[in-house]
Amino acid sequence: AQKITQTQPGMFVQEKEAVTLDCTYDTSDQSYGLFWYKQPSSGEMIFLIYQGSYDEQNATEGRYSLNFQKARKSANLVISASQLGDSAMYFCAMREGHGDYKLSFGAGTTVTVRA
Amino acid sequence: EAQVTQNPRYLITVTGKKLTVTCSQNMNHEYMSWYRQDPGLGLRQIYYSMNVEVTDKGDVPEGYKVSRKEKRNFPLILESPSPNQTSLYFCASSFSARQAGNTIYFGEGSWLTVV
Repeated sequence: AQKITQTQPGMFVQEKEAVTLDCTYDTSDQSYGLFWYKQPSSGEMIFLIYQGSYDEQNATEGRYSLNFQKARKSANLVISASQLGDSAMYFCAMREGHGDYKLSFGAGTTVTVRA
Repeated sequence: EAQVTQNPRYLITVTGKKLTVTCSQNMNHEYMSWYRQDPGLGLRQIYYSMNVEVTDKGDVPEGYKVSRKEKRNFPLILESPSPNQTSLYFCASSFSARQAGNTIYFGEGSWLTVV
């Protein structure tokens, strides 16, 4: 079964507008972490934001915020005030609290910001 | 500067010609892993290592080998590369899961093409 599901293969957003990238996850662990990474066309993986399963508040990092809805197993990324430099592939990932501690990734969402 | 260094960054090789992608980290991390990235599939774990001389298979280990003789190095070996191993490869490292939190470091990626 897929552990991370990103249902939006691609999205367009107007510059200066906000965009929400969907991510749902599947785990039976009580302890886990959720990550969002940005991958520009150059290929490197850039860490954006992290949410621990026991964190009571939604994580925020500058223009990035994570809308964490634990009961729905949802961890959507919100990018506010989009910039042209936000055009990239975005990956949601989960690290479960047991076993080999690997990251399970979604298929990714390509965001294109229009001027 | 904390970093994970992969080499080569770009490689075109022929079917059957053994190759090694090196990975080195300077943070004294116990945990290291290799991922491959393919369109529509996100990143998938190939192999991981919890510490020196401790390695284990990830989700897609077929056709790959690894070794962990020193803490800082975790090379990925393709004994007889095939075209279906054409992919973007990432090495990642972190402290053990209890200490890591969101601190996972990725290399810059290695683009491998097998013809």
